[in-house]
Amino acid sequence: AQTVTQSQPEMSVQEAETVTLSCTYDTSENNYYLFWYKQPPSRQMILVIRQEAYKQQNATENRFSVNFQKAAKSFSLKISDSQLGDTAMYFCAFMKPSSGNTPLVFGKGTRLSVIA
Amino acid sequence: EPEVTQTPSHQVTQMGQEVILRCVPISNHLYFYWYRQILGQKVEFLVSFYNNEISEKSEIFDDQFSVERPDGSNFTLKIRSTKLEDSAMYFCASSEFRGAGAGELFFGEGSRLTVL
Repeated sequence: AQTVTQSQPEMSVQEAETVTLSCTYDTSENNYYLFWYKQPPSRQMILVIRQEAYKQQNATENRFSVNFQKAAKSFSLKISDSQLGDTAMYFCAFMKPSSGNTPLVFGKGTRLSVIA
Repeated sequence: EPEVTQTPSHQVTQMGQEVILRCVPISNHLYFYWYRQILGQKVEFLVSFYNNEISEKSEIFDDQFSVERPDGSNFTLKIRSTKLEDSAMYFCASSEFRGAGAGELFFGEGSRLTVL
């Protein structure tokens, strides 16, 4: 079974600074997908960024980028130029490829606070 | 922007009572999910649903749980006889695609269930 571990329950960062959230996972699959979801206070979880394991290039979405280390099974999220609106719970998630409704496997989450 | 809506936002019930949590997925989505998060724990998959039947379910989703899409818009999760350990935040999600594309799930804000 796949597992996802987020070792940082809480983090804080000053506005405009850069912060990196850690995520490791365990799987015997060779192809899979990794995701970072963001859940602002009292709001829905939304997808931030997605990485396909077969792609060597790290995914980037504006200020959000990942450092995907397949051999180390590590998938960290870097947020550059942090903004107050980035304050949220961040969940790392894993999905193995399937033609069906394969469930996401989530980590416990990291609560990020951006401080003015 | 279309979004997944869930009701109620919070429900308190007595142990042994039946509870129905309701969700309205995004209208053109075909795949539906329930996840839950016990306080301080990981977000866990419960069940996925497509074409009016369950596609996949986890070990958590035992005979006490059921899902249905009674009217083509609502997607409900019923817990027949609640237990204390059912206390959690329940998230509904929907997606337009399945497989790898299903990694982009659209989540509701969650329904907090408290069982006394």
